[in-house]
Amino acid sequence: GNSVTQMEGPVTLSEEAFLTINCTYTATGYPSLFWYVQYPGEGLQLLLKATKADDKGSNKGFEATYRKETTSFHLEKGSVQVSDSAVYFCALSVKGGSYIPTFGRGTSLIVHP
Amino acid sequence: DAGVIQSPRHEVTEMGQEVTLRCKPISGHNSLFWYRQTMMRGLELLIYFNNNVPIDDSGMPEDRFSAKMPNASFSTLKIQPSEPRDSAVYFCASSLGTAGETQYFGPGTRLLVL
Repeated sequence: GNSVTQMEGPVTLSEEAFLTINCTYTATGYPSLFWYVQYPGEGLQLLLKATKADDKGSNKGFEATYRKETTSFHLEKGSVQVSDSAVYFCALSVKGGSYIPTFGRGTSLIVHP
Repeated sequence: DAGVIQSPRHEVTEMGQEVTLRCKPISGHNSLFWYRQTMMRGLELLIYFNNNVPIDDSGMPEDRFSAKMPNASFSTLKIQPSEPRDSAVYFCASSLGTAGETQYFGPGTRLLVL
């Protein structure tokens, strides 16, 4: 079956620090990969996505590269802000399947001034 | 577009009562998902509809939960009777129904069963 593994949180950083949130996956088929973000009291929203190997998704200073050889899609940002404090979910969905996405458990990010 | 609309946003009820959660997906989307989110279990998929037809309901906890999608613009999730362990945030999401497509989540319904 399909699965997504994310690093345990919370991740606590000071403002302007470098961020990495690890995500690895297993999939029966060729997946599309996503990062969603959930701000307090809100639903999840798409942060970025990549649909084929070596693609890089990017948005709001965040980026992640689809690495098929290591089955990974790590999220990075060069300089985090307090406003980036949220929960980040890695997810996949497989083409040709039922299109039901598989989500990781989520990683909480706390950024201090 | 207004995005995915859910109602009510908050619901407080007593154990044993019936609870109905409502969702209006984004117009033109043909896939609809109901999720439940708790601290203990994280985000769980309850049921998935495609073209108004339930495709996968394996995540529905038990017979107390039921979901319907009578048309492309409306879905309900019903809990009868409700129990305290049903307290959670329930999200509805919609998408265009292909693997590379983004899911659009509603703001959620925060349910508290006393």
